[in-house]
Amino acid sequence: DTAVSQTPKYLVTQMGNDKSIKCEQNLGHDTMYWYKQDSKKFLKIMFSYNNKELIINETVPNRFSPKSPDKAHLNLHINSLELGDSAVYFCASSQTSFSGSEAFFGQGTRLTVV
Amino acid sequence: TQLLEQSPQFLSIQEGENLTVYCNSSSVFSSLQWYRQEPGEGPVLLVTVVTGGEVKKLKRLTFQFGDARKDSSLHITAAQTGDTGLYLCAGGDQGGKLIFGQGTELSVKP
Repeated sequence: DTAVSQTPKYLVTQMGNDKSIKCEQNLGHDTMYWYKQDSKKFLKIMFSYNNKELIINETVPNRFSPKSPDKAHLNLHINSLELGDSAVYFCASSQTSFSGSEAFFGQGTRLTVV
Repeated sequence: TQLLEQSPQFLSIQEGENLTVYCNSSSVFSSLQWYRQEPGEGPVLLVTVVTGGEVKKLKRLTFQFGDARKDSSLHITAAQTGDTGLYLCAGGDQGGKLIFGQGTELSVKP
């Protein structure tokens, strides 16, 4: 069983479109995250939720809106996609929100905006 | 803003050689983690160090956390082709955030 699964794995879309990425974890963890990895492989946190509550919200355009319907799911909706949004987006989860807690990552969603 | 400088960014070596990757910051971190990422996959945790001066070994990999908890190193002894990948250090801040370094792309050639 995949611990952290995100869909889709690949997403190619035109500028201006709206798209969503879904994430689910079956580890029973309290905390979930969205990270963005750019073309230089730099990984940066975007959002973190603990038991469905938003606890970290980095400086991210408000076109990005996370939603956590329950603690096992964290989805990411992106409005009005721009070329600069092209990246790999990773969902992750950890047992607690303590930064030393091991983060389990999904396989990533490669978003290409054309 | 806390930053982690990771070096070198790229490393290409022959099987059997030793190597060290460094992760430096001017900030203190409550913990330091090392992850390994393979193409098309998410990062996977190798180790977490939390105490200044701590040394942890994982087979041929040795991890050290600096005494002041501002820096860390990863040493690989007798590298193998299976060690090829992207190595990422990540510092944990007090707010529960992981700050990642830029990564080191390691290529071990047979």
